[in-house]
Amino acid sequence: EVQLVDSGGGLVQPGGSLRLSCAASGFTFSSYAMSWVRQAPGKGLEWVSCISDSGGTTYYADSVKGRFTISRDNSKNTLYLQMNSLRAEDTAVYYCAKHRGSSATSYDYWGQGILVAVSS
Amino acid sequence: DIQMTQSPSSVSASVGDRVTITCRASQGISNWLAWYQQKPGKAPKVLIYAASSLQSGVPSRFSGSGSGTDFTLTISSLQPADFATYYCQQTYSFPLTFGGGTKVEIK
Repeated sequence: EVQLVDSGGGLVQPGGSLRLSCAASGFTFSSYAMSWVRQAPGKGLEWVSCISDSGGTTYYADSVKGRFTISRDNSKNTLYLQMNSLRAEDTAVYYCAKHRGSSATSYDYWGQGILVAVSS
Repeated sequence: DIQMTQSPSSVSASVGDRVTITCRASQGISNWLAWYQQKPGKAPKVLIYAASSLQSGVPSRFSGSGSGTDFTLTISSLQPADFATYYCQQTYSFPLTFGGGTKVEIK
């Protein structure tokens, strides 16, 4: 059974940093691209970042480029999102999502989501 | 960036009704489109991928169609479990973008 478990969220002050993790199981993690998607309170879905199966290629939304870094450790079956210089507008539930293939196809599984709140 | 425009933003319908949601891309995306269902407090769930392929385990009352710029999600006979918010997403090019969502409410 495919499982994605998001962790690492919490309350952080503006300008602070946080690292999210997504522990994957039930599939060959190193064969699939992965993404982070977020949802601000009461709002729609926003794609944040994507990483290729090998980790060699990454993509970012303009809203987070230069502040967030996506990475993965295929030996640990874990996806990460390092978030620096956090702003109030980064407050959201963050989901990791598994792409259907090795490239950026649609998602077939999602984590449960983790709340990141940026406030003083 | 490719903009995805969903309509309507909300729809009130009764159990048994046929419901159609449309999604328009600002440029051609071939069939690189997926539909997701999200219930309050839960992660989204994929319904349709590649514009018209039904995800395994999803009831056959859900169907998708379209190619290029215009796409449709149809629920042939609305069931109580279908009251939720629906999103389209293009995966043709980065940044990947979602539509604004369509909330299906009980009439």
